[in-house]
Amino acid sequence: EAGVVQSPRYKIIEKKQPVAFWCNPISGHNTLYWYLQNLGQGPELLIRYENEEAVDDSQLPKDRFSAERLKGVDSTLKIQPAELGDSAVYLCASRSTDTQYFGPGTRLTVL
Amino acid sequence: AQSVTQLGSHVSVSEGALVLLRCNYSSSVPPYLFWYVQYPNQGLQLLLKYTSAATLVKGINGFEAEFKKSETSFHLTKPSAHMSDAAEYFCAVSSSTSYGKLTFGQGTILTVHP
Repeated sequence: EAGVVQSPRYKIIEKKQPVAFWCNPISGHNTLYWYLQNLGQGPELLIRYENEEAVDDSQLPKDRFSAERLKGVDSTLKIQPAELGDSAVYLCASRSTDTQYFGPGTRLTVL
Repeated sequence: AQSVTQLGSHVSVSEGALVLLRCNYSSSVPPYLFWYVQYPNQGLQLLLKYTSAATLVKGINGFEAEFKKSETSFHLTKPSAHMSDAAEYFCAVSSSTSYGKLTFGQGTILTVHP
């Protein structure tokens, strides 16, 4: 069984540019999460999807961040415009019963 | 609200020595507890989990953890460290009422010396 797939693995952009991250969850997993992991810290939830519905986006900075999960499978997280402080690892996870499975993450560097 | 505290941001052991990584949690409802491992430039891999069954949980790579409700702890142990155990370890808590939302600790970096 394939795991959670994320792309790109690494992204370097200039500040004020837009950037997008893509996630393909494990087949059959209806719940999808995006997490932000700053250097030296544990991941923090940004948004949770149940199928195509964003059911918890209270931690998503909506002025510059947006996300979508069309058709309830793949998901895209976007930042526009990016700021220096957005440099971090963005992790995607999907859930089966009580366990979350994580992708490898996208490491974003904003210059 | 739920929270996790991992005592010690860095732990260093010799190869073959006991590994003990500490985790204390706070939860107003019965918790589900997890340990994840993260190798450099990789995502998080589940080591083991406690979801209200046996309090002593065995995971992959020889790790185990014991849920102690009276101490609100879920410490991770391994009898004999291997060089390949060097990584960052995260303790996390969720519950049946949190819709799977995980709250993570700050992480503990394990270094294994030859």
